[in-house]
Amino acid sequence: DAKTTQPPSMDCAEGRAANLPCNHSTISGNEYVYWYRQIHSQGPQYIIHGLKNNETNEMASLIITEDRKSSTLILPHATLRDTAVYYCIVGSNDYKLSFGAGTTVTVRA
Amino acid sequence: GAVVSQHPSWVICKSGTSVKIECRSLDFQATTMFWYRQFPKQSLMLMATSNEGSKATYEQGVEKDKFLINHASLTLSTLTVTSAHPEDSSFYICSARESLDTEAFFGQGTRLTVV
Repeated sequence: DAKTTQPPSMDCAEGRAANLPCNHSTISGNEYVYWYRQIHSQGPQYIIHGLKNNETNEMASLIITEDRKSSTLILPHATLRDTAVYYCIVGSNDYKLSFGAGTTVTVRA
Repeated sequence: GAVVSQHPSWVICKSGTSVKIECRSLDFQATTMFWYRQFPKQSLMLMATSNEGSKATYEQGVEKDKFLINHASLTLSTLTVTSAHPEDSSFYICSARESLDTEAFFGQGTRLTVV
């Protein structure tokens, strides 16, 4: 499975956009990029995923570079409830999702 | 989105006893489910892949005789922690996917405390 690299932590201001980077330089052609988040003591929550094209849903936008070696998750208007650990995961061919350390995002009022 | 439900949400058991955790996909069929374990301040660690109608595939270092997995139907997988000890105390989480190009949905997790 391709490995991902994320910054360990970041702060952002409430109401502002939060841009979370992820590097996945060894991603293969048929692997998806998934983003999940985990709020304390809960199971991970799906945010968004993509293969090549940029994606947007009600929660976030996912921007994938043309070479697919990196991506950015954008939370358009961060709220205090968005404080969580955010995981960028590259999907494997055998259905498994392996979690790295993630980015601890703290939204401050 | 699809719902994956775990039961119980938390359990306290005595050392040496066994505990069963259930994972159900409520509105879709999952031929494959996954079990994770998470210790405090750490990330999720994949323990095993549960395949409907066949034996589970365990990750390296996970004892298959201690963590028994049964996937008897397309909507239910169970994890039994046998002869539990305090070091097995952890947050256990399951997930399920319909297919490779769909997202995985996670249960709410089960907090196991062995005393």
